[in-house]
Formats: sequence, C-alpha cells, structure tokens
Amino acid sequence: QQPVQSPQAVILREGEDAVINCSSSKALYSVHWYRQKHGEAPVFLMILLKGGEQKGHDKISASFNEKKQQSSLYLTASQLSYSGTYFCGTELGGQNFVFGPGTRLSVLP
Amino acid sequence: SQTIHQWPATLVQPVGSPLSLECTVEGTSNPNLYWYRQAAGRGLQLLFYSIGIDQISSEVPQNLSASRPQDRQFILSSKKLLLSDSGFYLCAWSEGFSGNTIYFGEGSWLTVV
Repeated sequence: QQPVQSPQAVILREGEDAVINCSSSKALYSVHWYRQKHGEAPVFLMILLKGGEQKGHDKISASFNEKKQQSSLYLTASQLSYSGTYFCGTELGGQNFVFGPGTRLSVLP
Repeated sequence: SQTIHQWPATLVQPVGSPLSLECTVEGTSNPNLYWYRQAAGRGLQLLFYSIGIDQISSEVPQNLSASRPQDRQFILSSKKLLLSDSGFYLCAWSEGFSGNTIYFGEGSWLTVV
C-alpha cells in the first residue's frame, strides 16, 4: 500500500528545476506533500484532493492526476533551502493513510 | 492556534529499560493522534493512531504500546527497550482523516544502548 516515490535522490545546482513523483497502485482520495530537514520534524507543504488538482506556493507546485493515481511535486529555480527529504502521503479514504519512502533532494551552490 | 509538543527531545536508554514519551496538543478538541517512528535515513513508519480517549489502533506489532488518557494527550511506552527501538519518534495530530493535514511535533531522538 505504500506509494512509490521517484527518484530516490536527486542533486541539483541552485536555480535548477526538479520533479518528484509519487504513485499508488490504489485509487487515491488525496495526496499530501511534506519536506523534512535532517533531524527535524516533517513540515507540511500542500494537500491535493481528488478531482484533479494543481496547487502552487511560491516556486513549489504540485499536481494530482486522479486517474493515473499519481502526483508530482515541481520545484522551480531551486534554492539552497529546498534541500531535504520530500515525502508524499497518500490517502485511500477513511483511516488509510501512508507515507512514501521519501526523496532526498540536495541543492548545491 | 493549535500547537503540538512532545518530550523529551532526546533520550539515551539502556537495553531492557522502560520508555515513556509524551505528547500534548493544544487549541483543538478530539484530534486524531499518531505516533510515527523514523529509523536513521528511512521513511515514516506509523506505529499507533487514536481517534479518541482510550481508542488506540496499532499498525505494527512490537514491544511498544500507546495510551490516550486524556483527549489531547498521547503517550508512547515500552516496558523493556530493544536496540532496534532506537530512532526518531514523532507525535502528530490531525482533525479527522480524510483530506486533513497531519501536523508533527518536534520529535524525540531515542538511542538504546
């Protein structure tokens, strides 16, 4: 039931773009995205609900393709502060929520 | 506004000793409460969740237990710690399940030696 995230890790230079994908084998009610800095708690980025959503916050945006049961997180013109591990969390409805394994993003100067 | 606080922040315990991690949420009522564990460099593993006082669901069989004696208090315990219990423990809350954000506490680093 755990969603699959790809890539597992990515290294960027400041200013470059990145895409992180999250896919599930089950129909999804919602997808959540979190970022975790080393040694800190995960921080909520955004939630996308079924119905096919796109959301954006500054230079971080995400899409949710309900039919394909997948979501993508887009990081544009990456900054050093974007470094961390990104987790997607997928909700199948009811009490069924599970996090993906994470994607480690490193932004270099 | 809602806040979540867990303690202690760090803990070094010998094998076989007991454990108690505590978490409290303020500014909301009847939240869903969660305990997650994260091994070094790994993902988030859900250990327990609770939808109300004394209502605990266990996701993974282990030597840990959870209790919710009050609406906004969630406690993670063990009678005898194992080396494999080491990790980063996170308490979290949400308002219900469907489509609701999960907010995490600061986390507790547990090292079993």
